[in-house]
Amino acid sequence: QLQLQQSGPGLVKPSETLSLTCTVSGGSISSSTYSWAWIRQPPGKGLEWIGTFYYSGSAFYNPSLKSRVTISVDASKNQFSLKLTSVTASDTAVYYCARQKTGADNWFDPWGQGTLVTVSS
Amino acid sequence: EIVMTQSPATLSMSPGERATLSCRASQSISSNLAWYRQKVGQAPRLLIYGASTRATGIPARFSGSGSGTEFTLTISSLQSEDFAVYYCQHYNNWPITFGQGTRLEIK
Repeated sequence: QLQLQQSGPGLVKPSETLSLTCTVSGGSISSSTYSWAWIRQPPGKGLEWIGTFYYSGSAFYNPSLKSRVTISVDASKNQFSLKLTSVTASDTAVYYCARQKTGADNWFDPWGQGTLVTVSS
Repeated sequence: EIVMTQSPATLSMSPGERATLSCRASQSISSNLAWYRQKVGQAPRLLIYGASTRATGIPARFSGSGSGTEFTLTISSLQSEDFAVYYCQHYNNWPITFGQGTRLEIK
């Protein structure tokens, strides 16, 4: 059974870079059937898709975050990562990693456990 | 960007009752829709994809319907674990967007 384990700091200072890693176990990250995504949820609010690293090597990002986001994959470690630069208080959220189905149905499953990242000095 | 609108925002029901949740897309998304359930303090869990296909391990009391712009999630007989927040998500094109959620609470 595929599992996603997130790691990274829970506190980031304004203007700095948020960095999170998601380690995949129980399956290979190098699959054309799946891509790898990040989604966030501000406290008490809904879900916002951040971006997806497509199995082909391309990345797709939410236009609202595109200038600040990078998602990358390290196949040797079976990990993928999120970097969000120049953070502000509005970036405070629970960040989730997720596997995304490619092809006809692009659903997210499973999800990581979530990491609350607070942007504060 | 496709806007997903869910209704109602909150639904108050009793265990054993039938619940109907709605999701509307701002433009046609064919059947490119998924539903998720998020319990308090947990990550969302995939329930339905392709508008009507139950995900692996999801009980038969969950069913989805609709196509184009109007979609429905029905829970035939509410169990205690179903009182949670439900989100719809389209994947018709980029960017992927979610609805704002429907909170299903115990009456």
